[in-house]
Amino acid sequence: NAGVTQTPKFRVLKTGQSMTLLCAQDMNHEYMYWYRQDPGMGLRLIHYSVGEGTTAKGEVPDGYNVSRLKKQNFLLGLESAAPSQTSVYFCASSPRTGLTFFGPGTRLTVL
Amino acid sequence: SQQGEEDPQALSIQEGENATMNCSYKTSINNLQWYRQNSGRGLVHLILIRSNEREKHSGRLRVTLDTSKKSSSLLITASRAADTASYFCATASGGTYKYIFGTGTRLKVLA
Repeated sequence: NAGVTQTPKFRVLKTGQSMTLLCAQDMNHEYMYWYRQDPGMGLRLIHYSVGEGTTAKGEVPDGYNVSRLKKQNFLLGLESAAPSQTSVYFCASSPRTGLTFFGPGTRLTVL
Repeated sequence: SQQGEEDPQALSIQEGENATMNCSYKTSINNLQWYRQNSGRGLVHLILIRSNEREKHSGRLRVTLDTSKKSSSLLITASRAADTASYFCATASGGTYKYIFGTGTRLKVLA
């Protein structure tokens, strides 16, 4: 099993550009999450999904959109990137009552 | 706002010593997870403890949970230089699996 994978690993955007981060998991997990981590900080939950076709807001959802069209994929979109969105983004997945598994992260810089 | 707060923020010990870090949270939880993050890397899950459990062990790790005090502790025994990392607790509450992370404890084990 590949576990949780994220693409791309690195990206540099200019202010106002858009992009989509892709997360895929092959563990048949119900729940998926997107977090961001800023230097010296813990992780903050952006959006999450409790099943295919469902999404919900986390702690810091503004400026992001998500979609879960397939159970194994969870997409994070930035419609108009801002420098404040410079961060490392982590995707995670979990079964309903088990441990959460994290992807390796995507390092995003917005100039 | 952060649900979990780790204490201390930073800890430096000698190899072979035990390391204890604490996590306090604000609201009733379903379960609590501890994670390790090596510098610049993704998160690795260590232990999940459910709200009806008081203690769990995994190798050199021991986690306790006191729901009356809304706190948990992670003990690493006989620490090694390879244990140098940041450690985070994450809690899910309100019947959801929306995990909220604390700000972490940075552990440094000196050889």
